[in-house]
Parts: sequence; structure tokens; C-alpha cells
Amino acid sequence: AQSVTQLDSHVSVSEGTPVLLRCNYSSSYSPSLFWYVQHPNKGLQLLLKYTSAATLVKGINGFEAEFKKSETSFHLTKPSAHMSDAAEYFCVVTQAAGNKLTFGGGTRVLVKP
Amino acid sequence: EAGVAQSPRYKIIEKRQSVAFWCNPISGHATLYWYQQILGQGPKLLIQFQNNGVVDDSQLPKDRFSAERLKGVDSTLKIQPAKLEDSAVYLCASTLRTSGYNEQFFGPGTRLTVL
Repeated sequence: AQSVTQLDSHVSVSEGTPVLLRCNYSSSYSPSLFWYVQHPNKGLQLLLKYTSAATLVKGINGFEAEFKKSETSFHLTKPSAHMSDAAEYFCVVTQAAGNKLTFGGGTRVLVKP
Repeated sequence: EAGVAQSPRYKIIEKRQSVAFWCNPISGHATLYWYQQILGQGPKLLIQFQNNGVVDDSQLPKDRFSAERLKGVDSTLKIQPAKLEDSAVYLCASTLRTSGYNEQFFGPGTRLTVL
């Protein structure tokens, strides 16, 4: 069985300040982990993925995430928020094989000017 | 490269009516998924196809939901009869194959409102 908990349903940041989105996971197997972003009325877009290679993963648009097995966490960060980062973000886990995705509840990011 | 196409984008129906959604995956993608995303929640997998066969439909409410992918390309998802709690966005995704990890590409979704 696998599950994902996103610890914050909403995050509000000022433009130019760091963003931190927290994610904890549970998996019976070696997990693959992803972050997806969903802008209003748009499809889900893959930001980055961890598939058992380097634990620090760099994604698109300046985002990165660190896989910490001891803490079962996969937090997403960005050093400087941009207005275009306002969206909903989903942490996702899957088993190493099979491609069945389990989504967290999502974190809605608001960026203030 | 064209993405995953879905139609309609929006649908409003009354409870007990039926509704159908259509999905056209990325060309050459063998695996197709339907997800339900209720407002304020993450997407939940309803059914997974590999070509025209069902791989996983354990989360599909089979008393009212049905899905098919007859020729291994396009897929339709049907709800009959609809209930108020079916109001959600229905997302279609596709991937090249199921084995190993392959990125899932998502369509824009169909927003269903049941009154």
C-alpha cells in the first residue's frame, strides 16, 4: 500500500521569497516520487521526478526536491517565487514498477506581489 | 506533438441523467488512465487500460460507471445514472507503456456538475 500526505493545503508567499511545499509518503516498496503542478483550467504538468538516482532532484522552472528516506519526505522548494508559480501542486508516489499513481491532497500556492 | 485531448470541457446535467466523456491519448501511447478529481482533493485513479484491455478497475464504481477502449486508441467513460457526488473533474492521461516508469501526460479534463 502507498499513500501521500501534503502537510499544507494552502501556502502564501511574497514574490521573490522562497517557497517550501511539504510532502510525506508511505510505501511498501521502493517508491518513485513526483511533483505535478496544475494551473487553473490546465492539465497536470510534471515538475520533477525521483526514481532512485540522485536524492536531490532538479525540475523545471527552478523547482527542486530532496528525497529523504529516513524521514519519508519529498519536500519541494524554490528559492524565489514568481507570480506565475501560483497554482496547485501535487505530490505523487508510485511503486517502482506499474505506473499506478497515488496523489496527495494538493497544496494551493498564492503568490503576493 | 499533440497532447491528450478530452471533450467536452464542461458538462452540466441533472441527477439520474447519463453522461459520457471522450479521450484521445497521445499517438502511440499504449496505456490510458481515467482519474476523478473532486474539488479540493487529488486525482483518484478510476481505471487503467493497456491497449484495449483493462489493467486495473478496482476503484471504478461499476454499478454506475463504465469505460471502454475498443480499438486501443480513443476511450469513453460513461456515468449512468449520475449522482450529486459525481460532480468532479474527470482527467484522462496516457503513457507509452506500463512497465517501468513512464511519465503520464494529462489532458485538460472535463468538469462535470450534477444538479
